[in-house]
Amino acid sequence: KAGVTQTPRYLIKTRGQQVTLSCSPISGHRSVSWYQQTPGQGLQFLFEYFSETQRNKGNFPGRFSGRQFSNSRSEMNVSTLELGDSALYLCASSPGQGSPGYTFGSGTRLTVV
Amino acid sequence: GQQVMQIPQYQHVQEGEDFTTYCNSSTTLSNIQWYKQRPGGHPVFLIQLVKSGEVKKQKRLTFQFGEAKKNSSLHITATQTTDVGTYFCAGPTAGNKLTFGGGTRVLVKP
Repeated sequence: KAGVTQTPRYLIKTRGQQVTLSCSPISGHRSVSWYQQTPGQGLQFLFEYFSETQRNKGNFPGRFSGRQFSNSRSEMNVSTLELGDSALYLCASSPGQGSPGYTFGSGTRLTVV
Repeated sequence: GQQVMQIPQYQHVQEGEDFTTYCNSSTTLSNIQWYKQRPGGHPVFLIQLVKSGEVKKQKRLTFQFGEAKKNSSLHITATQTTDVGTYFCAGPTAGNKLTFGGGTRVLVKP
């Protein structure tokens, strides 16, 4: 059974640009969550999608957005990049509510210069 | 807002010794989950505790959920170099989003 796949693994962007990150969950998993991980702030929740609907949203500015497609694949977009957006972006999938544990992808390391 | 906190932030352990890391929530949790992230890796799910006072063991790891379901602990016995990494607890907070603690980074001295 394939794991959670995130692409790309590494990305370098300049301030002001926008970026799109992709996540393919485990087959059959309908819930996808996104987290930002930085050394100073730990794992910060961005949003969760379930069956193409955003079910939860964290405390991030509107520059951070996401979506989920009918095949459960998800994308997150960050517009007008700032230096502080440099982080490891992790995607996690789960079958849905009531199922214990998230399976994380390897993440996308975003560096904003 | 609702918070999940972990102490200590860092744990330096001599190989072979035991240690405990603690997780505290500002609110009652329906469950608590534990994850391990190896250096350069991603978080990997270890276990979920649901019942008040529940204790579960995985080999040298013992997980406990507090009676009030607001705290949890992870105890590792006879620490090995393979235990190196950051251990996170996480619980569902407002809106059922999974909120992670800041993690305990474990360093093992051989």
